[in-house]
Amino acid sequence: QVQLQESGPGLVKPSGTLSLTCAVSGDSISSSQWWSWVRQSPGRGLEWIGGVSQGGRNHDNASFKSRVTISVDKSKNELSLILTSVTVADTAVYYCARGGYQSRFDHWGQGSLVTVS
Amino acid sequence: DIQMTQSPSSLSASVGDRVTIACRASLSIDRYLNWYQQKAGKAPKLLIYSASTLHSGVPSRFSGSGSGTDFTLTINGLQPEDFATYYCQQSYSTLSLTFGGGTKVEIK
Repeated sequence: QVQLQESGPGLVKPSGTLSLTCAVSGDSISSSQWWSWVRQSPGRGLEWIGGVSQGGRNHDNASFKSRVTISVDKSKNELSLILTSVTVADTAVYYCARGGYQSRFDHWGQGSLVTVS
Repeated sequence: DIQMTQSPSSLSASVGDRVTIACRASLSIDRYLNWYQQKAGKAPKLLIYSASTLHSGVPSRFSGSGSGTDFTLTINGLQPEDFATYYCQQSYSTLSLTFGGGTKVEIK
């Protein structure tokens, strides 16, 4: 059974850096899957932030203007998200999910609320 | 970005009703269209992928159809546990994977 669990600070100051980790169990982060970050806020709905492909290539949503870094730690079986220069508009529930380009998000974490204030 | 437009944004229905939700893509996305159900305070759950393939464990009252730019999610015989918000999502474009704005299904 695949499970994903996000963790990280729930409060970040404006202009600061948001950092989240997603622990994956039941599947290898090195498997033939995409792994992604998705966020959700009342004003912007569900928004794909970016992901890592099977080949280890990163694909990010261009609307984040290079503020995003997504990486994997194979030794820990974890996915990470770093979002820099945050503003109040980045306040959202952040989800990690298995899936991405030409696939589906078939497993999701429970979500991590991050408030920028 | 490929824009995904869902309609209606909300609807009221009764248990046992047939419900249809539409999703339109701003460009052709072949059949790279997925549907999700989300309940309050929970992560979205995958219902249908590749426009019409039912995800494992999803009841057969859910079905999907369409290709290109126009897609439909149908619930045949709405059940109490189906009252939720439904989202479509395209996985065609490498530039960005985008979601529809959601359709909230409420009890009439």
